[in-house]
Amino acid sequence: DIQMTQSPSTLSASVGDRVTITCRASQSINSWLAWYQQEPGKAPKLLIYKASSLEIGVPLRFSGSGSGTEFTLTISSLQPDDVATYYCQQYNSYSPAFGQGTKVEIK
Amino acid sequence: EVQLVESGGGLVQPGGSLTLSCAASGFSLSPYNINWVRQTPGRGLEWVSYISRTSITYYADSVKGRFTISRDNAKNSLFLQMNSLRVEDTAVYYCVRGRDDYSPDAFDIWGQGTMVTVSS
Repeated sequence: DIQMTQSPSTLSASVGDRVTITCRASQSINSWLAWYQQEPGKAPKLLIYKASSLEIGVPLRFSGSGSGTEFTLTISSLQPDDVATYYCQQYNSYSPAFGQGTKVEIK
Repeated sequence: EVQLVESGGGLVQPGGSLTLSCAASGFSLSPYNINWVRQTPGRGLEWVSYISRTSITYYADSVKGRFTISRDNAKNSLFLQMNSLRVEDTAVYYCVRGRDDYSPDAFDIWGQGTMVTVSS
């Protein structure tokens, strides 16, 4: 099975900062990667699919890039509403697997 | 509003059974592939099972032979029959919709989740 590793596990930044989260796959997944945002007590929400496609309704400050085994999620200007845990997910093959999550906090 | 609503969670003893239901509203379930994903504080998010719009099914190795996914398009609903439950099956279970007609897929609609606790 393909393993997904995110870094960092926790990130603390100021409002307005540019924030980057990295996700690495144990083998190539082409561009079959999604990013999700999970606010406390809520279900995950799809932000990005196919590594760089923005889901409808997601703010433009979110962007994704990468292919193969290394991917990034960038928040161009961190907002208070962005406090959440972020997960990557590969869907190149079964079993679809998630990263362990990156918790984003406001400094 | 497009949504998925799970029900059927609860407390069950090890070795017991439970059936989860997922009702779709605001859209027709029939053209979509649907999955169950579970979440625990320790193991994070874990894909559990998949059913295609044509009822092809897949399961995670951890639940294969114990869980059965099914769908009733006439009732716009999905089910997860869970047998021989183990303590490690304790989790919040989410019903999630595949975004496109891929297998596997990204998940664009998530239910609110239903808690399953396996404990004596």
